[in-house]
Amino acid sequence: GDSVTQMEGPVTLSEEAFLTINCTYTATGYPSLFWYVQYPGEGLQLLLKATKADDKGSNKGFEATYRKETTSFHLEKGSVQVSDSAVYFCALSSTSGTYKYIFGTGTRLKVLA
Amino acid sequence: NAGVTQTPKFQVLKTGQSMTLQCAQDMNHNSMYWYRQDPGMGLRLIYYSASEGTTDKGEVPNGYNVSRLNKREFSLRLESAAPSQTSVYFCASRVELTVMNTEAFFGQGTRLTVV
Repeated sequence: GDSVTQMEGPVTLSEEAFLTINCTYTATGYPSLFWYVQYPGEGLQLLLKATKADDKGSNKGFEATYRKETTSFHLEKGSVQVSDSAVYFCALSSTSGTYKYIFGTGTRLKVLA
Repeated sequence: NAGVTQTPKFQVLKTGQSMTLQCAQDMNHNSMYWYRQDPGMGLRLIYYSASEGTTDKGEVPNGYNVSRLNKREFSLRLESAAPSQTSVYFCASRVELTVMNTEAFFGQGTRLTVV
């Protein structure tokens, strides 16, 4: 079945460091891919998305490119801030018959001043 | 902009008690979801509703029931709570189940503890 695999956390970085959070997926067909962010005590909110191969989603300095050849959707940011500390979830919108949203396990990011 | 509203935000139950988690969305979305979030396991789908009047099981439906009361509301019921149901529960909605490129909108979550 369809699945999403994320790198394990927690990831601890100093402010202004470069961030990469790896995400790979397994899916039949052509899913849409998403990154969600969850700040402490809150629900998930969409960070960015990409709906077809080679699309780049971007928002708030974060970027991710839909790579069909490597089935990946890695999240990157050139210079992280303390306010980016949160849990990040990779997700896909399944093209299988049930049309479910499938989430990775989440990666906790802690940015130190 | 209310979006997706869940009640209650916190709840403590004793083993064997029942309760209903409420969810309402004001975005005129057709599909709605219930997830549970547990440490190290991400979000797991409990039940979903493609449209008013329909519900389907997700990955972990055992011990839960749902009702799609109308287009706005989707409730989750625990008939006899167990400690294994201690979790954070999220309701989400989406425009249309089959439109894959649309995102889901989440409520703030309900933190449930079963003792």
